[in-house]
Amino acid sequence: RKEVEQDPGPFNVPEGATVAFNCTYSNSASQSFFWYRQDCRKEPKLLMSVYSSGNEDGRFTAQLNRASQYISLLIRDSKLSDSATYLCVVRPNTGNQFYFGTGTSLTVIP
Amino acid sequence: SAVISQKPSRDICQRGTSLTIQCQVDSQVTMMFWYRQQPGQSLTLIATANQGSEATYESGFVIDKFPISRPNLTFSTLTVSNMSPEDSSIYLCSVTDRRNTGELFFGEGSRLTVL
Repeated sequence: RKEVEQDPGPFNVPEGATVAFNCTYSNSASQSFFWYRQDCRKEPKLLMSVYSSGNEDGRFTAQLNRASQYISLLIRDSKLSDSATYLCVVRPNTGNQFYFGTGTSLTVIP
Repeated sequence: SAVISQKPSRDICQRGTSLTIQCQVDSQVTMMFWYRQQPGQSLTLIATANQGSEATYESGFVIDKFPISRPNLTFSTLTVSNMSPEDSSIYLCSVTDRRNTGELFFGEGSRLTVL
């Protein structure tokens, strides 16, 4: 079983729509959780960390459910500039390894 | 944040040759990481480059194929040896945030095509 699993999509949504991505992880001892964004032919960049209590940054909301080993990202009022691949990333409580999901592709359509 | 420069940004190589990728960071960091991202795949950690000691390789990666140097706290190289088309990939250098928030910073990547 993969450490991190994501629905690859693609998700094609109109501008202004709300879209949600989900991610599951296999290691219950995982400690840190992140969503990264990767634009086409670019390196990944941190979008937001995911905290146990859930957190919001503008139009973006991240949730963590430790019992179900599940992470989500909600994007409200989608913009064309949100088009990218969103990577779910999990870091165990030991070692240097960050485990990346394969990413979910989002295209926001005018 | 950390600024990471990688070169070459891309290269096309012949089967059986080797290519060395360089990674320069604008600040001193304890650990540098080398990742591979194959087409349509997630990022996979190849190894952790430690200054003053040998690199630590992940399962499935060996030093003979991916020798790594780490001469100082701001620089590292990854060599892809005896390349085959299966090595065609993006290779990314990465460091963690100095404040230990867990954030990873990446170089722009080196896109390698092996013919």
